[in-house]
Amino acid sequence: EVRLVQSGAEVKKPGESLRISCQGSGYTFSNYWINWVRQMPGKGLEWMGKIDPRDSYTKYSPSFEGHVIISADKSINTVYLQWDSLKPSDTAVYFCARTLDLDYWGQGTLVNVSS
Amino acid sequence: QSALTQPASVSGSPGQSITISCAGSGSDIGGYRYVSWYQHRPGQAPKLMIFEVTNRPSGVSDRFSGSRSGYTASLTISGLQADDEADYYCASYTTDGTVFGGGTKLTVL
Repeated sequence: EVRLVQSGAEVKKPGESLRISCQGSGYTFSNYWINWVRQMPGKGLEWMGKIDPRDSYTKYSPSFEGHVIISADKSINTVYLQWDSLKPSDTAVYFCARTLDLDYWGQGTLVNVSS
Repeated sequence: QSALTQPASVSGSPGQSITISCAGSGSDIGGYRYVSWYQHRPGQAPKLMIFEVTNRPSGVSDRFSGSRSGYTASLTISGLQADDEADYYCASYTTDGTVFGGGTKLTVL
């Protein structure tokens, strides 16, 4: 069974750093790109970027490039989404999803940034 | 990278059919076969309902179907059921990555 399991909810203050994770199982992890998708409160889905776990090649949405970093550790079947300095506007649920078709999704990670 | 255009809401009665449109351009929907649709219920992960314009993943009801005409993709749900009530999003591959539609709230009356 294909599964993507994300790390738990986070409460952070503005300016803090954060890294959330997405671990895949039930398939050959390195064979499939992993995407990150944001959903801000009351809003729709936004594609942030994706990574090829084989070689960590990344592609970012122009809206997110320079604001987040996507990385991977294929030895533990895990992809990460990282912020160096969080803003209140980063408050959202973040989903990881597999492949171009986004065929399997993680359960989502709520990130709450508030002073 | 502009979002694809979907109606904000659609509604229908049980047993009826509804269609949700997703308008794009030649740089997304009209240019590639990677057009997909997702069902999203509050508090849950989105679920893939249609991929590559017309294909249904295993386990998705055949009441759900996808199509494309020019730069507009469509999701049709036939035999509406109360359980279909959710938000629906289209998405398309582009050279800049994936782009989503703004989402359509489906209400089953």
